[in-house]
Amino acid sequence: AQKVTQAQTEISVVEKEDVTLDCVYETRDTTYYLFWYKQPPSGELVFLIRRNSFDEQNEISGRYSWNFQKSTSSFNFTITASQVVDSAVYFCALSGIKEGNTPLVFGKGTRLSVIA
Amino acid sequence: GAVVSQHPSRVICKSGTSVKIECRSLDFQATTMFWYRQFPKQSLMLMATSNEGSKATYEQGVEKDKFLINHASLTLSTLTVTSAHPEDSSFYICSAIPVTSGTYEQYFGPGTRLTVT
Repeated sequence: AQKVTQAQTEISVVEKEDVTLDCVYETRDTTYYLFWYKQPPSGELVFLIRRNSFDEQNEISGRYSWNFQKSTSSFNFTITASQVVDSAVYFCALSGIKEGNTPLVFGKGTRLSVIA
Repeated sequence: GAVVSQHPSRVICKSGTSVKIECRSLDFQATTMFWYRQFPKQSLMLMATSNEGSKATYEQGVEKDKFLINHASLTLSTLTVTSAHPEDSSFYICSAIPVTSGTYEQYFGPGTRLTVT
């Protein structure tokens, strides 16, 4: 069975601080996708990144960066120089790579509050 | 491209009534759509997988007779909550996989907030 664990329920930081959101996953699949989504108060999911299990390269996109460590089954997300607009719930998710149905398994989410 | 819409965005209904939620892929065709449910301050949980032209597949613990899913076309799936009760109040989100997607990219709708009074 697939499982995603986000141990941090809530994090509060002061603006301009760096913050890392942890994600640990479990899967028996040898190939899979990992995702991060942002959910602001409106509720709509905002796609941030998808990472194929074949690709362990870290990725940077502006103030966002992701660290994929297959050896520890982790896919952590770092926001550099946090801003108030980063306040939201962040979900890590996992899906298999199969032909046809590939629903996402979500972690419980981490609520990030950035204080001005 | 790859936009998924949901209608309505918010709905309030009385206990015992039925509510229909639509999920549409606006600029692509989708043979598979997923329905997720999110209770307040909780994660998204898969409810069912909707396949065009066939019966939906429900996750364990989800009542198929209560949550009716119809995927009658390649761009539309509907979720009907029958005889709704206050415990059905939740945020319902659909997602769709384009037929032509070789990577099974999944696109989410904006969600529907259901409140049952």
